[in-house]
Amino acid sequence: AQSVSQHNHHVILSEAASLELGCNYSYGGTVNLFWYVQYPGQHLQLLLKYFSGDPLVKGIKGFEAEFIKSKFSFNLRKPSVQWSDTAEYFCAVSGNTPLVFGKGTRLSVIA
Amino acid sequence: DTAVSQTPKYLVTQMGNDKSIKCEQNLGHDTMYWYKQDSKKFLKIMFSYNNKELIINETVPNRFSPKSPDKAHLNLHINSLELGDSAVYFCASSQQLSGTAEAFFGQGTRLTVV
Repeated sequence: AQSVSQHNHHVILSEAASLELGCNYSYGGTVNLFWYVQYPGQHLQLLLKYFSGDPLVKGIKGFEAEFIKSKFSFNLRKPSVQWSDTAEYFCAVSGNTPLVFGKGTRLSVIA
Repeated sequence: DTAVSQTPKYLVTQMGNDKSIKCEQNLGHDTMYWYKQDSKKFLKIMFSYNNKELIINETVPNRFSPKSPDKAHLNLHINSLELGDSAVYFCASSQQLSGTAEAFFGQGTRLTVV
């Protein structure tokens, strides 16, 4: 069965700080990885996804993630966060079943 | 045009009542889902439908009954509502059931059972 772990429950950063959110997955087969963002009171939106090829994936709004197969990880990064990045971030994995989500990481960006 | 739309956005009801949430997608996708997001923001899949057929039912109480009249619609009916059913319910759709298909989510329905 697929599972996803997000280690950070709540991250608080100042504007312009760099961000890295951890995500580890467990799945024995070919894996597809996603990061979704949920802004306060809104639905989930896709930030980026990895299926194959270059393990460094660039998404919207300056986010990127790196797939490291040996570590079963897909960490999300952004060099400089903005107040508008305040949101809940979900890592998800899909193999032969629908998306399985991690428990989410709440990011609070303060001025 | 909203890709995945669900109604109502908010639903407050008493214990024991029966309620429905409707979902429609205009993306031409074959697969639709219901996810439940609890108070701790944890997202868990409830049901998956592919071409109007139930594919996955993730140990959801049988008080929850999804219905798909056509590929573009997946409604969720809940009987005898309980306090623990309070959550945000998200409808989603994708081109295929699994693999590389990105899921598109609706705005969510915040259900509060009092």
